[in-house]
Amino acid sequence: DVKVTQSSRYLVKRTGEKVFLECVQDMDHENMFWYRQDPGLGLRLIYFSYDVKMKEKGDIPEGYSVSREKKERFSLILESASTNQTSMYLCASLSQGTNYGYTFGSGTRLTVV
Amino acid sequence: AQSVTQLDSQVPVFEEAPVELRCNYSSSVSVYLFWYVQYPNQGLQLLLKYLSGSTLVKGINGFEAEFNKSQTSFHLRKPSVHISDTAEYFCAVTNDYKLSFGAGTTVTVRA
Repeated sequence: DVKVTQSSRYLVKRTGEKVFLECVQDMDHENMFWYRQDPGLGLRLIYFSYDVKMKEKGDIPEGYSVSREKKERFSLILESASTNQTSMYLCASLSQGTNYGYTFGSGTRLTVV
Repeated sequence: AQSVTQLDSQVPVFEEAPVELRCNYSSSVSVYLFWYVQYPNQGLQLLLKYLSGSTLVKGINGFEAEFNKSQTSFHLRKPSVHISDTAEYFCAVTNDYKLSFGAGTTVTVRA
């Protein structure tokens, strides 16, 4: 089974801090995604990456950037954290071919104070 | 980009009763469709998916969904729910790798 690991389950950061959220997958997948989940809004796509060093903005990229230096790792960066970025962040990896599907990490709950 | 509408935000249901969660999407091209479940304080778990073939899809835990192309719907059903089905359910759709989600439906099962 594909495993998607997010390095932190809970994080508390101060306003203005630079925050790194890390995600690692173990199946050599090309496509990886970052979502944020908020009550009543479902999951919204922040950024995705379709290969090393390749990225594309999702629906809500403002205030975020990403890094993909190695295929297995996809990092989400909050350049200057703000309280409206308090949320649950979920990373996903896509398996293509006959068993097409997305595997999600268990999430990082970020609180910005 | 696709949009996904889950028509009910909250669905209370009694144990052993049937439940239907409604999902509609907007897309003019072929899509892949998914239902995920999220139990309290847990991550997303895949219930079932439609990629092609039979429009009636069976998933885990007794759930099934029917893809209706003409009505652009993918409703989820379970004939008899258990207390343990209390969770939030998300419908999702893609036609270009990017997965778009509905706002979610919270199912609360009561004894």
